[in-house]
Amino acid sequence: NAGVTQTPKFQVLKTGQSMTLQCAQDMNHEYMSWYRQDPGMGLRLIHYSVGAGITDQGEVPNGYNVSRSTTEDFPLRLLSAAPSQTSVYFCASSYTPKVDVTQYFGPGTRLLVL
Amino acid sequence: GQQVMQIPQYQHVQEGEDFTTYCNSSTTLSNIQWYKQRPGGHPVFLIQLVKSGEVKKQKRLTFQFGEAKKNSSLHITATQTTDVGTYFCAGGGGGSNYKLTFGKGTLLTVNP
Repeated sequence: NAGVTQTPKFQVLKTGQSMTLQCAQDMNHEYMSWYRQDPGMGLRLIHYSVGAGITDQGEVPNGYNVSRSTTEDFPLRLLSAAPSQTSVYFCASSYTPKVDVTQYFGPGTRLLVL
Repeated sequence: GQQVMQIPQYQHVQEGEDFTTYCNSSTTLSNIQWYKQRPGGHPVFLIQLVKSGEVKKQKRLTFQFGEAKKNSSLHITATQTTDVGTYFCAGGGGGSNYKLTFGKGTLLTVNP
């Protein structure tokens, strides 16, 4: 199993550009989520999905869209990038949508918005 | 909403010294998880506590969950350079079954 994979590893964008961060898992996990990590801020939940076709907002959803058309994939879309979205983005998954199960994190995408 | 505070933000120790990080929640938690993130890496699950007053050990690491299920601690005995990283606690509960609330983490550095 590859676990949770994320692409790209690094990305530089100009303000106003759009892009999609890819996340995939091959563990047949129901629950997938996106976090952003900023210095001194810990991990903040952006969006999450409890299953294919179901998504919901987390703590910091503004400026981001998600969709979950398959169990395996959970892309994160930045519609119009802003410097405030410079961050490290982590995708995570777990086999069931409950808080008392292990979260498996991907390797992260480092995004710089100029 | 639920808030999870973690202290200290940074801790520098000499190799062989002990280290403790503390996690406090504004609300009663259903469970608490601990993760470790090595520099440049991603968070990796260490352990979960679910019972009031629970204590679990993993080699030199001791994890505790408070009696009121609002606080937790991670204690490392005799730190090693391999312990370097950021330790996060993450609490469940607060009205949602689907959202873990992460603390801001404690960055541990170890001087050999």
